[in-house]
Amino acid sequence: DAGVIQSPRHEVTEMGQEVTLRCKPISGHDYLFWYRQTMMRGLELLIYFNNNVPIDDSGMPEDRFSAKMPNASFSTLKIQPSEPRDSAVYFCASSLLTGGNTEAFFGQGTRLTVV
Amino acid sequence: AQSVTQPDIHITVSEGASLELRCNYSYGATPYLFWYVQSPGQGLQLLLKYFSGDTLVQGIKGFEAEFKRSQSSFNLRKPSVHWSDAAEYFCAVGNQAGTALIFGKGTTLSVSS
Repeated sequence: DAGVIQSPRHEVTEMGQEVTLRCKPISGHDYLFWYRQTMMRGLELLIYFNNNVPIDDSGMPEDRFSAKMPNASFSTLKIQPSEPRDSAVYFCASSLLTGGNTEAFFGQGTRLTVV
Repeated sequence: AQSVTQPDIHITVSEGASLELRCNYSYGATPYLFWYVQSPGQGLQLLLKYFSGDTLVQGIKGFEAEFKRSQSSFNLRKPSVHWSDAAEYFCAVGNQAGTALIFGKGTTLSVSS
């Protein structure tokens, strides 16, 4: 398996524009997570899904952020409108719950810069 | 409040010397504990995790960690550090889904020759 695939790897956009980050989890995994990493706040869990259903979105910073998982092999994180403070590295991860031997695998991340 | 504290922001260790990275947690339920490593520009890789059972956990790359409930700690150790271990290390607490819910701020490890 190619692992968790995120696209794009880098995104530069102007303030006010809509940004969509994409994630393809590992095939067969039933959990998908979105994280954000910044120097100031470190790594934060934004939202996670189980079997395509959002379970906990309490980490989503505000209404400008939305995430969807239309099927088991694809998820998006959208920011509309984007602001400079959204600049960060966004990670997607997936896992398969296997009764105690579960491991979340991370993608390489998308580095977002909002100017 | 739930939190993970890594007291050391940056540690420098000589190659071949032993390493211990500290982690303390505060979590209301049974903690599932993780250590991840991140190389520059890369995603996170799981080094090891503790869910239950033996409190000394072995991981990849020669790392181990010990869960001490009484001290709310989960310190990472390696007996002999290699230059390739230079990276940033994150401790996290989470749930049984492998979900790292709360991360520490990370410890940057530098290895000197």
